[in-house]
Amino acid sequence: EPEVTQTPSHQVTQMGQEVILRCVPISNHLYFYWYRQILGQKVEFLVSFYNNEISEKSEIFDDQFSVERPDGSNFTLKIRSTKLEDSAMYFCASRGGHTSYEQYFGPGTRLTVT
Amino acid sequence: DQQVKQNSPSLSVQEGRISILNCDYTNSMFDYFLWYKKYPAEGPTFLISISSIKDKNEDGRFTVFLNKSAKHLSLHIVPSQPGDSAVYFCAARRGGNQFYFGTGTSLTVIP
Repeated sequence: EPEVTQTPSHQVTQMGQEVILRCVPISNHLYFYWYRQILGQKVEFLVSFYNNEISEKSEIFDDQFSVERPDGSNFTLKIRSTKLEDSAMYFCASRGGHTSYEQYFGPGTRLTVT
Repeated sequence: DQQVKQNSPSLSVQEGRISILNCDYTNSMFDYFLWYKKYPAEGPTFLISISSIKDKNEDGRFTVFLNKSAKHLSLHIVPSQPGDSAVYFCAARRGGNQFYFGTGTSLTVIP
């Protein structure tokens, strides 16, 4: 069964450093998402991506964040200058079509900022 | 801004009995609702969904009920099995391409 994959599974970085989280969505899906979950809290929407551009973003997704789909298969989330409060689990998700709203999530990348 | 709320952080149920997980929302513009299940160290997995034009959707042991006037939905699992032990999230779509998740309810099914 097709699945969403994410790398790395765990990333440790120092405050102020740039990180890139990588995702490979399901190949024929059209919509792509990044979410984060701070330990013990809710899953928070960051950004959605469709037709090679951002379709919606939350207030969390400020200028420090960017997304890219560089080659038609990978979907990346870049955090330019990490802060301690960026420490969280980051989930990538994809969904297939315009009327199917269920998303398929990857296993997540645990980001630890020290 | 907690638009989707799951007020019970945890729930314990005996195997074979019914599990009822609840979710409340505040935004009347939500048009689609979904339930996800999450095991530790994994991403959420889609379980069942319902459109705002319906009040019930059933899939095997899982049934979702939507009460629009009360802005409330619930997930019923009958009969509950130990493998159902997980964190359950409800999520809602407000048109567009943004989804709002609740804080989750941790279900433990006791053998």
